[in-house]
Amino acid sequence: DTEVTQTPKHLVMGMTNKKSLKCEQHMGHRAMYWYKQKAKKPPELMFVYSYEKLSINESVPSRFSPECPNSSLLNLHLHALQPEDSALYLCASSQTSGAISGANVLTFGAGSRLTVL
Amino acid sequence: GQNIDQPTEMTATEGAIVQINCTYQTSGFNGLFWYQQHAGEAPTFLSYNVLDGLEEKGRFSSFLSRSKGYSYLLLKELQMKDSASYLCAVRDKDYKLSFGAGTTVTVRA
Repeated sequence: DTEVTQTPKHLVMGMTNKKSLKCEQHMGHRAMYWYKQKAKKPPELMFVYSYEKLSINESVPSRFSPECPNSSLLNLHLHALQPEDSALYLCASSQTSGAISGANVLTFGAGSRLTVL
Repeated sequence: GQNIDQPTEMTATEGAIVQINCTYQTSGFNGLFWYQQHAGEAPTFLSYNVLDGLEEKGRFSSFLSRSKGYSYLLLKELQMKDSASYLCAVRDKDYKLSFGAGTTVTVRA
C-alpha cells in the first residue's frame, strides 16, 4: 500500500458546525502532515506530527485541532470555522520528519475540499 | 523563512521541451523537490535534488545549483497529460518543506 487516503473528499459546513477530516496511511511512515491549499496557491504547512507527537504548529488558529490517535491515522477537527477557511486540505506522510538518508519524500493524499458557508 | 520563485504559466506544443526555472532563498538547505499537481488532485512526487547537478528520470530531468539557489525541471517529449501545475519545493534546516506558487504548463496539440 503506497497511498495516503483522505475522507471525506468534499465537505460543506456552516460556521457553527463541528466536523472532522480523516487521513490514513499504511506505509509505516512516522511523520504525518496537514497542509492547506487555496485555489491557485501553493500548499501551506499547518501541522507536523512525528511519532504521534505534534512537532510543528505553524501558528494555526485554535479552531483547527489536529489529533494523531496512532501511527497510521491523522485527524483534523474543525469548529467554528470562517468562510475564508474554505480550501483544499491535504494530508501527507513521510518516513520521518527529520534527517534521514535518502529523499524522505512526502506522499500526499487526494485532499478534502472544504467549503464553509 | 523561504522565498521560492517560479514562473506562473508556460505553454508548449506536444512533443516539444519545456524548462521550468525555480529560484529560492532558504534558511538552510536539505533538498529540493519537484511535484506535479493536476487540478483538484494531490501533488505527486517527480524528482529530488540535494547535490549539484542533473538528475534524469525518463522524460523528466531536474537540475540544481546550490550556490546560485537555482533549479530547473526539464520536461521532454511533451504529452497532453503533462498539462498540470509543477511545484518547486525546498526543505529547510528544520526539515520543513515549503512550496513555490507553482507553474501551470499547458500543452497544445
